[in-house]
Amino acid sequence: GAVVSQHPSRVICKSGTSVKIECRSLDFQATTMFWYRQFPKQSLMLMATSNEGSKATYEQGVEKDKFLINHASLTLSTLTVTSAHPEDSSFYICSALGVAGDYNEQFFGPGTRLTVL
Amino acid sequence: AQSVSQHNHHVILSEAASLELGCNYSYGGTVNLFWYVQYPGQHLQLLLKYFSGDPLVKGIKGFEAEFIKSKFSFNLRKPSVQWSDTAEYFCAGRGSSASKIIFGSGTRLSIRP
Repeated sequence: GAVVSQHPSRVICKSGTSVKIECRSLDFQATTMFWYRQFPKQSLMLMATSNEGSKATYEQGVEKDKFLINHASLTLSTLTVTSAHPEDSSFYICSALGVAGDYNEQFFGPGTRLTVL
Repeated sequence: AQSVSQHNHHVILSEAASLELGCNYSYGGTVNLFWYVQYPGQHLQLLLKYFSGDPLVKGIKGFEAEFIKSKFSFNLRKPSVQWSDTAEYFCAGRGSSASKIIFGSGTRLSIRP
């Protein structure tokens, strides 16, 4: 099946620094990727949809200047948390839209746990 | 607005009990529905999905779900749970094959050995 990887799996940073998270589709090309955030014991909340070669579409309430998304190739999307603060500590999960049989399907990455001190 | 709701926040069962987790959706027109499981400390895994056709969908690990259009429901069932089914279960939906997946709030399932 289609595989999506994320790097790093865990990151700890100091408040005020920026952190970049990579999401790769390993064996398929994904024109569309999605970024979700999951706080402890809560559900996944969609942050943004990124399309290769164009600007990301952010969900209401998500600061686009804080969460920079770049989808420069068909296999890579990056999420940069700029000037991170402790309240940004969360589990960030990406997914890539691929084809499974006759349908499009979202394949999820393993997630990146961000801890901001 | 498109949404998916799960009303059971925490379900506690004994081993061998039958399971049914509720999921209701609010979508007009085409809807694709999913159930995902997240075991403690692990990432999301797809249990099953409904796109079209037979409304009774069978997934992995003995799970199944039934799409009932008249009730806007897609409940997850398993006839006999095991301790290893302890996890968080998420119902999710999307309006078309290219659109974003929206998740329900999740149901924590605890199985007593």
